[in-house]
Amino acid sequence: DIQLTQSPSFLSASVGDRVTITCRASQGISSYLAWYQQKSGKAPKLMIYAASTLQSGVPSRFSGSGSGTEFTLTISSLQPEDFATYYCQQLNSYPVTFGQGTRLEIK
Amino acid sequence: QLVESGGGLVQPGGSLRLSCAASGFMFSSYAMTWVRQAPGKGLEWVSIISGTGDGTEDADSVKGRFAISRDNSKNTLYLQMNSLRADDTAVYYCAKRAIAATGPTYNWFDSWGQGTLVTVSS
Repeated sequence: DIQLTQSPSFLSASVGDRVTITCRASQGISSYLAWYQQKSGKAPKLMIYAASTLQSGVPSRFSGSGSGTEFTLTISSLQPEDFATYYCQQLNSYPVTFGQGTRLEIK
Repeated sequence: QLVESGGGLVQPGGSLRLSCAASGFMFSSYAMTWVRQAPGKGLEWVSIISGTGDGTEDADSVKGRFAISRDNSKNTLYLQMNSLRADDTAVYYCAKRAIAATGPTYNWFDSWGQGTLVTVSS
């Protein structure tokens, strides 16, 4: 199984900050990675797929990059509604796996 | 739109069937999946089924105990859960694959239900 390790697990930041979350895969997965945002008590929301393609309706302050084993999700200028938990997910093979999550909180 | 139902409290060793009613898209064209989330924990993929229903994949943790199925005439996805254990306690989400294609490399999920809570406890 492909393991995904996110770092950091917890991030405290302020509105307007630029933040980056990293997801590392245990083996190469090309660009087969997605990112989800989950707010407390809500279902996950697709943000990015194929490592860098922004899902329709997602603000352009979100961006994704990477290939192979290292990927990043960047939020260029944090907004109050961005504080949530973010998960990466690999699309390369079964079983589908998710990272453990990065909780982004307001400083 | 995806709406799950069927969750509840069940004793260890018991069974439960979850349903996910779909609307607003051509249900039979899209693979559908179940993802669960234990209280305070991260996301765990459970099972996936092709649009036609003739192909499925399961996580090792549920293999032989859970069965995913669908009724395209009713636009409904199911998860039959048998031999339930305490560690199956979670919110179960159904989700739709974003595009009508086959293969794991298209497994990004663009629409999710609100989730249904399954609690396994005596």
